[in-house]
Amino acid sequence: QSVLTQPPSVSGAPGQRITISCTGSSSNIGAGYDVHWYQQLPGTAPKLLIYNNINRPSGVPDRFSASKSGTSASLAISGLQAEDEADYYCQSHDSSLSGYVFGTGTEVTVL
Amino acid sequence: QMQLQESGPGLVKPSQTLSLTCTVSSGSISSGNFYWSWIRLLPGKGLEWIGYVYSSGSTYYIPSLKSRATVSLDVSKNQFFLKLNFVTAADTAVYYCARGAGRFDPWGQGTLVTVSS
Repeated sequence: QSVLTQPPSVSGAPGQRITISCTGSSSNIGAGYDVHWYQQLPGTAPKLLIYNNINRPSGVPDRFSASKSGTSASLAISGLQAEDEADYYCQSHDSSLSGYVFGTGTEVTVL
Repeated sequence: QMQLQESGPGLVKPSQTLSLTCTVSSGSISSGNFYWSWIRLLPGKGLEWIGYVYSSGSTYYIPSLKSRATVSLDVSKNQFFLKLNFVTAADTAVYYCARGAGRFDPWGQGTLVTVSS
């Protein structure tokens, strides 16, 4: 179902910087549609982490940053903390599927 | 802070209709010109957006589910709804309601619906 591809898992030690890629195509990210990122902590609802490619909602630490280029986007977490262990999803719109689409999801583990 | 909460049967028989309710609190479903969406997490397949209802009542669905899905709202109860007809085991998922279209915020906690006889 997912047309946005993410690595299944990424891990890092506390304090490290990790990045999560989100690879799309010319019908979604490459077409200029905005990318949003969500964090899902274990047993909780997904939470908006980044919106419109680079923006953080109020309350989201500036350790989280994101970028978009061409047909891909990426999320970076710097100063990794144990509380960052969660699943992360990217999301955009796809003109071929005529709807909103999500990434495959990435599980972040803090070593 | 606005909160959303899904409710409905956790078990639905094949070929029957899945019916879910999303109750919105700490905010009016009719104000702010918001969209109200349903999204599901399919086991092993990831998140899939199903469709939305606008505060005016207009709707839009992902084409693959358009023939089976209906999203509606009841402003007086501050609720919106999902009906999915002719369900199969492939519709087994955690169903989430969320505010928005384009970006989704906030989300409900999600409710697991299993399709099985």
